[in-house]
Amino acid sequence: EPEVTQTPSHQVTQMGQEVILRCVPISNHLYFYWYRQILGQKVEFLVSFYNNEISEKSEIFDDQFSVERPDGSNFTLKIRSTKLEDSAMYFCASSPTGRYGYTFGSGTRLTVV
Amino acid sequence: GESVGLHLPTLSVQEGDNSIINCAYSNSASDYFIWYKQESGKGPQFIIDIRSNMDKRQGQRVTVLLNKTVKHLSLQIAATQPGDSAVYFCAENSGGGTSYGKLTFGQGTILTVHP
Repeated sequence: EPEVTQTPSHQVTQMGQEVILRCVPISNHLYFYWYRQILGQKVEFLVSFYNNEISEKSEIFDDQFSVERPDGSNFTLKIRSTKLEDSAMYFCASSPTGRYGYTFGSGTRLTVV
Repeated sequence: GESVGLHLPTLSVQEGDNSIINCAYSNSASDYFIWYKQESGKGPQFIIDIRSNMDKRQGQRVTVLLNKTVKHLSLQIAATQPGDSAVYFCAENSGGGTSYGKLTFGQGTILTVHP
């Protein structure tokens, strides 16, 4: 069964450093997403990406965040200057239609120290 | 504003019992709902979904019920097994317009199945 692959599984970074979280969505999917889950809380939407541009973003997704699909297979989330409160699980998801058929990756646990 | 919430944060059952997990939503424009299972350290795993033109959908050992009148969603798990122990989330998609598939998740219910 096709999977969404995320790397790394765990990233530890110092406050103020830049991090890039990587995702390989399912190959025939057209809609891509990043979600965040702070420990013990619900999954929160960050951003959706379609047709090589951001289609929607949440209030969480401020100027320190950016997304990119650099080569037609990878989908990345960059956090420019990490803060302690950015510590969370980050999930990538993809969908063929943007309405149904969402598949989530296993996540990257980001720890900012 | 939009919100999806759960009535019960934890549920403990005995192996073999049936489990019912509930979810309330407030966005009447929501037309697609999904139940996810999340095990520790893993991503949300699709269980079952339902569209708003249905009020019941069955899968293997799971049934989702949708009551649009009271904006309520439930997940029923038959013959619950220890492997069903996880956090269960409902999620909704208000669909159409400028929403490119954004899912809004509920708080989650921790299901613990005792052998």
